[in-house]
Amino acid sequence: QQPVQSPQAVILREGEDAVINCSSSKALYSVHWYRQKHGEAPVFLMILLKGGEQKGHEKISASFNEKKQQSSLYLTASQLSYSGTYFCGTGSGAGSYQLTFGKGTKLSVIP
Amino acid sequence: EAQVTQNPRYLITVTGKKLTVTCSQNMNHEYMSWYRQDPGLGLRQIYYSMNVEVTDKGDVPEGYKVSRKEKRNFPLILESPSPNQTSLYFCASSLFPGTDYEQYFGPGTRLTVT
Repeated sequence: QQPVQSPQAVILREGEDAVINCSSSKALYSVHWYRQKHGEAPVFLMILLKGGEQKGHEKISASFNEKKQQSSLYLTASQLSYSGTYFCGTGSGAGSYQLTFGKGTKLSVIP
Repeated sequence: EAQVTQNPRYLITVTGKKLTVTCSQNMNHEYMSWYRQDPGLGLRQIYYSMNVEVTDKGDVPEGYKVSRKEKRNFPLILESPSPNQTSLYFCASSLFPGTDYEQYFGPGTRLTVT
């Protein structure tokens, strides 16, 4: 079952902050975040693992609440280059090989 | 340059005409996967492969076949394409199987079946 992302779309002015949420009905082992610009492939941003480990870009901030089966991606002081669609992908176990992606959140940053 | 390549990038075909979309990675990754992307539905996994000769179904495998005879290649085969397989397809790879590892995506193949 696909994780649920919210909001579906958001418009920001440069310099504003945004939070994108990802929620699952299943227990989670890992959460991935990717950004996809129009006409391009998704690009890796961050992985959050059960137990607190995080891997990813230093300028990206995210949280993982294992108990609530939720993750949030924090975009601060947004730049025009942050525009795109953000996807979360969830993995349900340490032995799981499958990522299930949400439907995406479209972020538009305007001057 | 480390990359995942897909061919062709664009393809228009007719119902029932068998086609293959190739995927190749030069990073010696063990894990490879195919996704389809449709408006409003996000990325949905079709098949994945943990290593050579080891494949498994994802969420939407119907109408697709895959094979993994070499580590670097993971072709997607549509034996009898139908219009509902019109979509944007992405191949991805990661160093090892498991969701601990980031996935690298290819540039995508836009398929239209008429």
